[in-house]
Amino acid sequence: TQLLEQSPQFLSIQEGENLTVYCNSSSVFSSLQWYRQEPGEGPVLLVTVVTGGEVKKLKRLTFQFGDARKDSSLHITAAQPGDTGLYLCAGSYGNKLVFGAGTILRVKS
Amino acid sequence: EAQVTQNPRYLITVTGKKLTVTCSQNMNHEYMSWYRQDPGLGLRQIYYSMNVEVTDKGDVPEGYKVSRKEKRNFPLILESPSPNQTSLYFCASSHRGEKLFFGSGTQLSVL
Repeated sequence: TQLLEQSPQFLSIQEGENLTVYCNSSSVFSSLQWYRQEPGEGPVLLVTVVTGGEVKKLKRLTFQFGDARKDSSLHITAAQPGDTGLYLCAGSYGNKLVFGAGTILRVKS
Repeated sequence: EAQVTQNPRYLITVTGKKLTVTCSQNMNHEYMSWYRQDPGLGLRQIYYSMNVEVTDKGDVPEGYKVSRKEKRNFPLILESPSPNQTSLYFCASSHRGEKLFFGSGTQLSVL
């Protein structure tokens, strides 16, 4: 079974701070996705990265795929309370998508 | 509106009483999948289906059954539920394994 480890598990920060969430594996993935989940809802896709070394930006969010396609990071600049939620990374291999355990982010105003 | 619809949202049942959680999507997606979400374990895949009449086991299939008789529907069946199947369940669909669309979840408690 492919494993994806996310860190940190929990993150509580003040509005305006920067943060980075990491997603690591010993396995190579064909692509990696980041999802955000709010309480009472299903995860919603934020981005998919496919190429090793790829960097994608979504407003204040920056996603990076490692050169070897084994790891990824999500960086949020100037976090806002609306960024609060569970962030999940998911690696794709074959017909399967394996999820990390998630990072719970709380941004206090 | 494009969506994945799961029912029910909440379900409390007793050990051994058969239940079905329904899932329907209106996007004509070939791929559908069921996940369970438990604290600290993330989302784990139970079963998935690449198309009608094609299903396969995920990482945690024990105690579950699925069927894919129509493209839009992918019900999850628990023939004899046990307390360790208490969890939050999500159905998802996608077009050829691309972006996954998730339902809003079913919180199941087995007493």
